[in-house]
Order: sequence, then C-alpha cells, then structure tokens
Amino acid sequence: QSVLTQPPSVSGAPGQRVTISCTGGSSNIGTGYDVHWYQQLPGSAPKLLIYGNTNRPSGVPDRFSGSKSGASASLAITGLLAEDEADYYCQSYDSRLNAWVFGGGTKVTVL
Amino acid sequence: QVQLVQSAAEVKKPGASVKVSCTTSGYTFTNDAIAWVRQAPGQGLEWLGWISAGNGNSVSAQRLRGRLTMTTDTSRSTAYMELRNLRSDDTAVYYCARWVVSAKYFDFWGQGTLVTVSS
Repeated sequence: QSVLTQPPSVSGAPGQRVTISCTGGSSNIGTGYDVHWYQQLPGSAPKLLIYGNTNRPSGVPDRFSGSKSGASASLAITGLLAEDEADYYCQSYDSRLNAWVFGGGTKVTVL
Repeated sequence: QVQLVQSAAEVKKPGASVKVSCTTSGYTFTNDAIAWVRQAPGQGLEWLGWISAGNGNSVSAQRLRGRLTMTTDTSRSTAYMELRNLRSDDTAVYYCARWVVSAKYFDFWGQGTLVTVSS
C-alpha cells in the first residue's frame, strides 16, 4: 500500500486526452516535495517522463505534461497514441517514512 | 550517451546472497549517485537505496537495513548491490538508475536484473 495513490487504470481512444492523478499527504507532496513521473513500457525498464513536477527531459514529446497542486499531482497525455500504452508511476519523498516512494502505478490502455 | 548495463539474471536459494552489478558509461561516474529499485512480479516499483559514487555515502530503505549493501568501484565506473539472507519475497527485477541527488529523481535506468529466490 503506497503512500502515493494512483488509479489502477485509465483508458482513452486514440487522439483523446487522459489524466493520471497521484494523491499524497502532509508528509510527502503536501509538504512541498517535488513529484516525478516515469513511463514503463511492457517488458522494459522505467523511463523518466516528467521531473520537478512540470519539466520534460529532452526527447519526451510535449503531449506529456505534469502539474502539481496541494497534496496531489497529475500527468496528462494529450493526442493519445497506441505507443503510449504503458504503466505510469509517480515518485516523491516521504518525510515520515524517510524514504523515496512511488505510487502504485497506473496502466494506460489505448482503446 | 548515458548507459547503465546490469549483470545477468540469477537464481538463488533462500538464505543465500546475491550481488548485482551496474556498469555505467557516458558520464563522469563520480559526479553522481546510483540508486537501486526493485519490482516484484506484476507489482509496482520499490526504492531500495542510493549510494554516492563520489564519496561512498549511502542511504537505504529501513526495511532492508542489515541485509542490503551498496558499493562502488570507481576504477570500473560500476556500482554493486548485495542482498543477503534472501527470501522468496525478494524475487524481483532489480534496477539500477542514476540518481540526481540535487533534485531527487532517477534520470537513466539499467535494463534490470531478474533475481529469483526458490528452493
């Protein structure tokens, strides 16, 4: 049971917009710790998608965007493509656990 | 380009130890840290710890303290993760990743090493 809560799954048709929430609390996101997002394609290692709440590494399409408000963060994918089918994880720091933590992951399905 | 290449899959018996290597290239090894993350079959990601390649300082998850040792060999630009007294629930893919210490995220990842613990 992660301290960062994500929906298990979201789905959308090609071209649509989907969002993934990452809800934390007062010992992690709500305290001001940054949120980072990773994409894990089937059978592959995770890949950094968003860092520092809103920043995209070089090479990540601008269809991916991140935001943070209060104790929650969100990842949005616009213009959904079949290649976006993957698991997505948020990550932050938890001061009560004194550990870096991941959300439970969200599986994105392109219908 | 930054690359992290991990050692091959391992099969171990309960109570044994495993040591996974992570050989890096494409950047100055001692300028950064290496973190270890694992993923049990069908499960999410779990942070295990990180070690500074510059000074050897490390931080590990409390639930693994006493069983986990992280080391580096700067002459080989390689990091190692040793887990002792293995249990069946240690079965997982173990990933190394470059840890951006200043901003607390993992920017490049190894391909993963499957460690299977079975009698």
